Amino acid sequence: GENVEQHPSTLSVQEGDSAVIKCTYSDSASNYFPWYKQELGKRPQLIIDIRSNVGEKKDQRIAVTLNKTAKHFSLHITETQPEDSAVYFCAAGSNDYKLSFGAGTTVTVRA
Amino acid sequence: DTAVSQTPKYLVTQMGNDKSIKCEQNLGHDTMYWYKQDSKKFLKIMFSYNNKELIINETVPNRFSPKSPDKAHLNLHINSLELGDSAVYFCASSQRQGSTKLFFGSGTQLSVL
Repeated sequence: GENVEQHPSTLSVQEGDSAVIKCTYSDSASNYFPWYKQELGKRPQLIIDIRSNVGEKKDQRIAVTLNKTAKHFSLHITETQPEDSAVYFCAAGSNDYKLSFGAGTTVTVRA
Repeated sequence: DTAVSQTPKYLVTQMGNDKSIKCEQNLGHDTMYWYKQDSKKFLKIMFSYNNKELIINETVPNRFSPKSPDKAHLNLHINSLELGDSAVYFCASSQRQGSTKLFFGSGTQLSVL
């Protein structure tokens, strides 16, 4: 089955700085790579996703990159703000219906 | 108007009891899931149903039994609760099976004493 590893487990950044979270996956059949954000005490919510036919995708201050050859993908948050503080999960999935999640990264943005 | 709703939000119970968590989605989605989030925040899939049919059944103790009376509902029944069952359980749905966006419920925090 798919194995997704996510680093770092915790990340503290100064407001306005950038944050980068990296994930690797093991199954070359994976073709869908979403990122979920979970604020304290709330449900995970999709913030951005990328499919294997695309190398990079951007949405305002958030960008994701995918390197299929190396089997890794990353989330980049620029100009971080206090409301970016949350747990971020990467995931990898394929057409066998199952998403495998990384262990999560707790991001703290210091004011 | 909540898209994926689950009840109860909190569940505190004694070891050995049997309890159920209910989930409903009003999005017209075909696929529903149960995820378990442990104290370290790790999200692990337990079950998935597509149009009432079980399609994913991970290595979960058979004390856990999902039931889907129709494609809008997926309930989770847990027998003989153990301390290690304490976690947050999330219901989720997606438009179809495969690589699509998951919509999560607000979670049920289960505490087994």
